[in-house]
This record gives sequence, C-alpha cells and structure tokens, in this order.
Amino acid sequence: DVQLVESGGGLVQPGGSLRLSCAASGFTLSNYWMSWVRQAPGKGLEWVANIKEDGTEKYYVDSVKGRFTISRDNAKNSLFLQMNSLRAEDTAVYYCARDFSDFWGWFDPWGQGTLVTVSS
Amino acid sequence: DIQMTQSPSSLSASVGDRVTITCRASQSINTYLNWYQQKPGKAPNLLIYAASSLQSGVPSRFSGSGSGADFTLTISSLQPEDFATYFCQQSYSTPVTFGQGTKVEIK
Repeated sequence: DVQLVESGGGLVQPGGSLRLSCAASGFTLSNYWMSWVRQAPGKGLEWVANIKEDGTEKYYVDSVKGRFTISRDNAKNSLFLQMNSLRAEDTAVYYCARDFSDFWGWFDPWGQGTLVTVSS
Repeated sequence: DIQMTQSPSSLSASVGDRVTITCRASQSINTYLNWYQQKPGKAPNLLIYAASSLQSGVPSRFSGSGSGADFTLTISSLQPEDFATYFCQQSYSTPVTFGQGTKVEIK
C-alpha cells in the first residue's frame, strides 16, 4: 500500500524552529513531486511548498518564503520541511502529499498529518 | 494567485438526496480542477481529478464536471458515509489554491 507518515510536529515558541519529516512507502519516491499542505484549526487547506522528483526545483507559498525549506532524501524515502522563524499563524496540521504536478496536479495520497502549534 | 470560491459553504441533506457543490475560479483554469473529501480528524481524500476523472476506488455516485472557470461536484444519491467537507483545488498555476470547503451535514 502507498503510505505517507509525518512526524516532528509539536509545541514551539514564536521565532523558534521545527523540522517535519515524511516517510514514504509503497512507491518509488524519486518518481514523484512531493508537497506539504497545511490546515489551521477549523480552517481550510493551504498549499505550503513542493519539490521536484530530483530536488532541483522547489516552490513555496509567499507567506513562508525565506522561512521554510523543503527537501528530500530519495535514498531514504523521506521528505522534509525545515521551518524557521515560526509565527502564531503557522499553527496548523501539516500534511505531506504525493504531488502529481507532472500530470494534472492532484494530491494523492496524503499522510495523516502532524500538528504544529506556535505559542508562548 | 487564483481564488477558488465554493458554494454553498454548507448544506443539509438527507440520505438518498442528489447533492451538487459548485466551485468557481477567479480565472480560467481549463480542467485543472480536483476535488477532495475530508472527514473530521482525517486527511483529505482525492475524489475527482482533472475536473471529471473518478479516482480509483471512489464510488460512482461521485461525479465532476466543468471547464474554464466553473465546476461542479455531484453526489447522485447521498450515503451516510458521505457526510463530510468537500474541497476543490486548482492546479493550473502555482501556488495551487483550494476552495474554502463545503460541509455536507445530515438533515
């Protein structure tokens, strides 16, 4: 089965850092774009960043540019999101998702999510 | 950025009802439109991609249509397991953006 499992979430103070991980299984990670999508409590979905199969292209939503960095290790079947200078408005459940940007750009599947809470 | 507007924001329906959810883009997005279902405490699940293609394993009572800027998701006969929130997503340009969601509740 294709599966994505996120980890690394938690409580962090404003201005702090956190690194999220996403472990992929059941498919060849190096064949796919990957994305991070977040959802603030009780709110809608917001795409955060994505990365090309070989890591040579990366894109970010404006609100995280310069603060977040997406990366991947295909040999270890893992995706990462380094989050620095965290703000209260970054509080959300963060999902990793397989990204079909080479086709029509849908996300499937999604991980179960990891909660990031930015608060003092 | 392309804005996606869903309507209604919520609806109440009964089992067996036909339900239609609309998604409008702020500009033409061809058929770069995808639909997801999300249940409380769970990750979104892909239903429809490329406006009208049914994802494998999704019941045939779900269908999508539209092109350009106007799209619809239809549930032909609502089942108890369909009570959830539905999101549209445009993948025409970066950043990809989502509609605000439509919550389908039990009448």
